[in-house]
Amino acid sequence: DAGVIQSPRHEVTEMGQEVTLRCKPISGHNSLFWYRQTMMRGLELLIYFNNNVPIDDSGMPEDRFSAKMPNASFSTLKIQPSEPRDSAVYFCASSLTTGVGEQYFGPGTRLTVT
Amino acid sequence: AQRVTQPEKLLSVFKGAPVELKCNYSYSGSPELFWYVQYSRQRLQLLLRHISRESIKGFTADLNKGETSFHLKKPFAQEEDSAMYYCALSGRGNKLVFGAGTILRVKS
Repeated sequence: DAGVIQSPRHEVTEMGQEVTLRCKPISGHNSLFWYRQTMMRGLELLIYFNNNVPIDDSGMPEDRFSAKMPNASFSTLKIQPSEPRDSAVYFCASSLTTGVGEQYFGPGTRLTVT
Repeated sequence: AQRVTQPEKLLSVFKGAPVELKCNYSYSGSPELFWYVQYSRQRLQLLLRHISRESIKGFTADLNKGETSFHLKKPFAQEEDSAMYYCALSGRGNKLVFGAGTILRVKS
């Protein structure tokens, strides 16, 4: 298994543009998490899904951020419109719902908004 | 509220010296605590969890409920221990709350 797959690995965009980040969880995992990593705030949970259903989106910064999980093998995180303060590394992780604490992380997407 | 505090952004030690990465938590119930590590150019990965009471790569961590702490310790640091370390807490549900992270630099 290749583990959690994220694309793109790097994204540079201009302020105001729409950005879509993609994630493929490990096959068989039924929980999926989106995190944002910055030097100032560390690793913040944005949203997580159990069995494709959003369970907690309290970490989503504002309405510009949205996430979907149309099926068990794919999720997207969209920022529209993007702003320079959104620049960060975005991680996707997956786990078994019963596997508390053992989350498997993707390589991350480094987003730069100019 | 669930909160994890790692007071040090950066910890720099010499090779062979003892290491202690501090972690304090806030949670009203019985938490499960974890340490995650991110080596350079590698993915964030689970290092150890308190319920296992295990030693991984020479690291141990003891949950102290009285002090609400879960400090990560190693008696003799090695250069390959240089990495970003995150303390995490699992309370309700299967989500994790992470601390801000501590960069450990082991100097030769």
